[in-house]
Parts: sequence; C-alpha cells; structure tokens
Amino acid sequence: DAGVIQSPRHEVTEMGQEVTLRCKPISGHNSLFWYRQTMMRGLELLIYFNNNVPIDDSGMPEDRFSAKMPNASFSTLKIQPSEPRDSAVYFCASKPVGYNEQFFGPGTRLTVL
Amino acid sequence: AQTVTQSQPEMSVQEAETVTLSCTYDTSENNYYLFWYKQPPSRQMILVIRQEAYKQQNATENRFSVNFQKAAKSFSLKISDSQLGDTAMYFCAFMTTQGGSEKLVFGKGTKLTVNP
Repeated sequence: DAGVIQSPRHEVTEMGQEVTLRCKPISGHNSLFWYRQTMMRGLELLIYFNNNVPIDDSGMPEDRFSAKMPNASFSTLKIQPSEPRDSAVYFCASKPVGYNEQFFGPGTRLTVL
Repeated sequence: AQTVTQSQPEMSVQEAETVTLSCTYDTSENNYYLFWYKQPPSRQMILVIRQEAYKQQNATENRFSVNFQKAAKSFSLKISDSQLGDTAMYFCAFMTTQGGSEKLVFGKGTKLTVNP
C-alpha cells in the first residue's frame, strides 16, 4: 500500500509563476480532498471531490486557484499566478466510500518568493 | 458553521507521565465524527483516534483515550505513559456528512513536547 502520493514535496517559485501540485490517491478511494496549512489559518479545506466530481469548493480562496480530477487516480491543484501569501503546506487526502477516516499524503511545501 | 477550539497552544509533559489535551467544538448537528490527528516534525498527518457521536462509550487506542462529552461539546485526548515519540502537534478535527460535504474542520492545534 503506497499511500497517498504527492509531488513535488517542495516547490520554490517566484511571484507570478504558475504552480501545479499533484496528487495520486490510494487505489479504490473515491473521495479526494485538498487542504492548505498555514501558521495563521491552520488547516483548511480547499476543495473536495467525490467520484472525480467537485462537491465542495467553497474553500478555494480566489480565481487564481483551480483544481481538477481527470480520473480516479490523479488530481492537480494549480495556482496561477502565484503570490507570496500562497506559501503554505498543501495536503492531499483520500478516503473510500462509507469510511470516515481520511488518509493524508506527505504534503507539498510551497514557497513563493 | 462548525468550529473547533483547542485552547492550549503548547503543553509539555515528562516522559512516562499522563497528559490531557483539550478540544471543544460547536455544531447544531446530531450525527458527526471527531478525530485527533498527530503531526510530527515530518509533517505527516497521522490519525490517532476517532469517535462517532452516536457512541456513548469513549474510544481507546492503546495509550490514547478520549473523554467525549456530547452535551458539553467537549472531546479531550488523554495520553498515558507519554513517550518521546509522542512529541508533535496534535489537531482535533470534526466531520459531518450532512449537506453532502465530508470535510474535516480542524482546530489550531496543540504543540506537545515530551521531556526526558
């Protein structure tokens, strides 16, 4: 069991650049979540997919953020253009249907200079 | 909206002793789940223990147990026989399945240090 896989683990970019974070959920899990962790706001949900369909995107901060899940084994979170205030750790989590535990990936630490 | 409050930003305990981390939450729902997650310096989020709101019996996982007081909306975590490896951030989290969203709402965390 490989667990949730996220890439890259670390990303350093300059303000204005496009950033793409990637996530591979655990095989067989049909729900996928993107969370952001910052010192000021803690851990907060950005968007949640169920069977590849976005269910709750109320946490997406603004139009610069977009997320896709083209198939059951892959999701991306894109920030375009990036800003220094986007610096955070971004977690992806997945879970199977009917199960209440979410399994987290190792996170991507994003630094926008 | 649901909120989760952890009133202790930092705590410390001596190895082998017992420590209790506090958590309160606010919700108008009757069916929900509560969790404690551990985040060590590696930043990996690890589930420590979970509690279903409909169960009156407090959950226990080895050295970890909870005191779930539904009426008071309180969900504290007790760590017995603390070990150095328990040093981490601990997050209390709430989840409801009502309204179609299964998102976790987290508290701000408690940084626990276990001293040798």
